[in-house]
Parts: sequence; structure tokens; C-alpha cells
Amino acid sequence: DIVMTQSPDSLAVSLGERATISCRSSQSVLYTSNNKNYLAWYQQKPGQPPKLLIYWASTRESGVPDRFSGSGSGTAFTLTISSLQAEDVAVYYCQQYYTSPLTFGGGTKVEIK
Amino acid sequence: QITLKESGPTLVKPTQTLTLTCTFSGFSLTTFGVGVGWIRQPPGKALEWLALIYWNDDARYSSSLRSRLTITMDTSKNQVVLIMTNMDPVDTATYYCAHTNSSAPIDYWGQGTLVTVSS
Repeated sequence: DIVMTQSPDSLAVSLGERATISCRSSQSVLYTSNNKNYLAWYQQKPGQPPKLLIYWASTRESGVPDRFSGSGSGTAFTLTISSLQAEDVAVYYCQQYYTSPLTFGGGTKVEIK
Repeated sequence: QITLKESGPTLVKPTQTLTLTCTFSGFSLTTFGVGVGWIRQPPGKALEWLALIYWNDDARYSSSLRSRLTITMDTSKNQVVLIMTNMDPVDTATYYCAHTNSSAPIDYWGQGTLVTVSS
């Protein structure tokens, strides 16, 4: 199975500041035939199901604010919130969909400092 | 629009079998590439992917839970059923069903159903 490791477990960021979350996979999720990374990011607010933010490692889902961006390739990925807003307080998860079993990272809780 | 809704018991006893049903609308599980999966989340903990079934009846399972899980689909009812045997208190969690396509992320989620395992 591909193990997804996120860091940090939690972070506190001031409003308007940048938040950066890392995700590493135990093996590459880059499919070389199409040069796509099978990596998604989700946002989960309390009492709600997760919401898809980013897929193919860097493509924003429709309606997601452009302050959210994803980067990375192969085994190392980053989710960046360029200017943290109050409504961004949530837990963020990465997930690989390169191969089953599909696996999630352990989550990163983002709070306001 | 695509919607999914989980149903089933809220309380099961240890060693019992859990049967959860996902009833969906807005898509068909006979469409090429479409899949419906189950994911769970213990209170205060991370998401755990459990199982997925595709339009062609191809079923995939979590490696650690494979022996306890069965996922089936009923295309006439627009339902997917997850069966988990030998329930234990550590299986207490919110169970979500979700829509996906092959080689694609999960794009729609149900609201989830909390299942408590307790005697």
C-alpha cells in the first residue's frame, strides 16, 4: 500500500499569512505515460464531509478560491494557502488515487494564531 | 446534481455484522468509469478508505480490512451496500459513501452516518 504522510499535524497561522502543508507518499504517484500526479487535497470543516480542493496535485476544483494552490511531483507535495482567511480553519487531507487501496494522509489541522 | 446518502444502524454490538446502504442520484453506476466508495472516520481521527466498486462490478478493498468487508451494487435501485463483519468498538466511526471515477479523486461525498459499536 502507498503510505501518505502529512506534516505538520497542526499549525496556527495569523490571518492573511501563508499556510503550508506537506504530504509525502511512500512511492511515486506520478503516472509517466500522461505526466499526471494522482494526488488530491481535501478540506474538512467540523461536522461536514470532506470537500475536494485540488486534484492532479495542482488543479483547483471549480469554485475553490485561488488562494489555495497545490504543487509537487512524484512523492513530495505541498498545499499552500497564500493568505489565510477565517473560513479556512479546517483539517486538510491529501490522498493518492494512483492505485488501490486509495490512501489518505493523517490530516493537518489549520487554526488561526 | 449528484447526491449520496448513507443509511443503516446507528448502534451495533461487538461481533455483529454491519450493513450500510448508500443510495445515490444524479449518476448511474452503469456508466463507464463511475465508482462508489466507502470511507470512515473515527471521532477526532483521520479519514480511512475502506472499499470501492466500479461500474463493471470491480471491487477494491482496504488491505487491512479486506477479510471483513464486502461491497456490492444494485444498479436498479441506485444503491451500493457495504458489509463489515465482526464489528469491534474501534470500528466506531462516521461512515461516508462517495462518488468517483476510475483514476480520479473523490468528488462528491454523502453527509455520513455515525455508527457506534457498543454492548
